[in-house]
Amino acid sequence: QKEVEQNSGPLSVPEGAIASLNCTYSDRGSQSFFWYRQYSGKSPELIMFIYSNGDKEDGRFTAQLNKASQYVSLLIRDSQPSDSATYLCAVISGGGADGLTFGKGTHLIIQP
Amino acid sequence: GAVVSQHPSRVICKSGTSVKIECRSLDFQATTMFWYRQFPKKSLMLMATSNEGSKATYEQGVEKDKFLINHASLTLSTLTVTSAHPEDSSFYICSASKLAGGRDEQYFGPGTRLTVT
Repeated sequence: QKEVEQNSGPLSVPEGAIASLNCTYSDRGSQSFFWYRQYSGKSPELIMFIYSNGDKEDGRFTAQLNKASQYVSLLIRDSQPSDSATYLCAVISGGGADGLTFGKGTHLIIQP
Repeated sequence: GAVVSQHPSRVICKSGTSVKIECRSLDFQATTMFWYRQFPKKSLMLMATSNEGSKATYEQGVEKDKFLINHASLTLSTLTVTSAHPEDSSFYICSASKLAGGRDEQYFGPGTRLTVT
């Protein structure tokens, strides 16, 4: 059974600091990894995706992937109050057509 | 851009009735569309995967006769909740992918909140 684990939080970070969000996954054959942001009552919006080991940077966001450890993380630099949301880690497995397997999400609170 | 719409955004229906939810990709052709369900304070759970012109693939535990999916064109997929019951009340979200199998980015619709009374 494919599982994606996240700490549900809440994770409280002061404004301007770095927020670090972590995720582990159980299916070693997973190939694609996504971070989504979801505001209450809204559908998810894509923040970043990463396919290869290492770091991928996009503006204030950096995704990190370590397939050997089955671990993916998201760093948010210079955190802003508008970054307060639930962050969902999602994975696509390696075999065949597949939808996203989501973690339960981490509730992030940026304190002004 | 890649915009996905859903209609209706919110629906209330009586127990035993059927409800149809539409998912449209507005500015691209969606090879694959996915339907997810999200209960309060829970994560999204994949219900089914549909490819244009073929039968949908349902996840384990999702009743295909209760949740009818039709993907008649590359821009439209519909989910019909048949004989709805209060436990079907949930946030239903579709996503669309340009590439087969959804390995590309999935673009999410705004969701449909279903309440069954």
